[in-house]
Amino acid sequence: ELKVEQNPLFLSMQEGKNYTIYCNYSTTSDRLYWYRQDPGKSLESLFVLLSNGAVKQEGRLMASLDTKARLSTLHITAAVHDLSATYFCAVFQGGGSADGLTFGKGTHLIIQP
Amino acid sequence: EAGVVQSPRYKIIEKKQPVAFWCNPISGHNTLYWYLQNLGQGPELLIRYENEEAVDDSQLPKDRFSAERLKGVDSTLKIQPAELGDSAVYLCASSLGLGGKETQYFGPGTRLLVL
Repeated sequence: ELKVEQNPLFLSMQEGKNYTIYCNYSTTSDRLYWYRQDPGKSLESLFVLLSNGAVKQEGRLMASLDTKARLSTLHITAAVHDLSATYFCAVFQGGGSADGLTFGKGTHLIIQP
Repeated sequence: EAGVVQSPRYKIIEKKQPVAFWCNPISGHNTLYWYLQNLGQGPELLIRYENEEAVDDSQLPKDRFSAERLKGVDSTLKIQPAELGDSAVYLCASSLGLGGKETQYFGPGTRLLVL
């Protein structure tokens, strides 16, 4: 059974600081997603990482994937308040009819002025 | 382009009552998903449809939950009878292709409270 663990689960940081969220998973996968969720809102797709060493960047967020270590990171550079949200990683597992995503518990990020 | 539409957005019912949620996926998307999200947790898949066929319903509690996707477009998820533990957010998502690999686009969810 695929297990996806994120850490930290809760993070409070100041504007302007850098930080990294980690996503570990337990079985081989060839794709990983990062989503953002604002309170009471839907999940918004941020990145999809498809291969070992993949790196994607959008604004102050950068995601990377190491399939050998079964680890993805989401790095926040010079955080701003607008990035406050809950961030989920989701790992795809193929297996016929059971193909699908397994989500982590999410990292609740608060960025304070 | 319109996103995934869900209704109602909120529902409060008493236990043992039935409840139904409706989802309209993004136009042209062949795969539709229903997820359950408990407070402080990530979404958990209940059922996945490819067109009108349910290809993965292994996590759907079939004694009280049912779903359908008539004509491969809209979908309805039903709970009968509802229990206190069913209080959660029910999310619908859709993706363009088949096979569950493509990016999923989520609706706003239906927040259910069972009293």
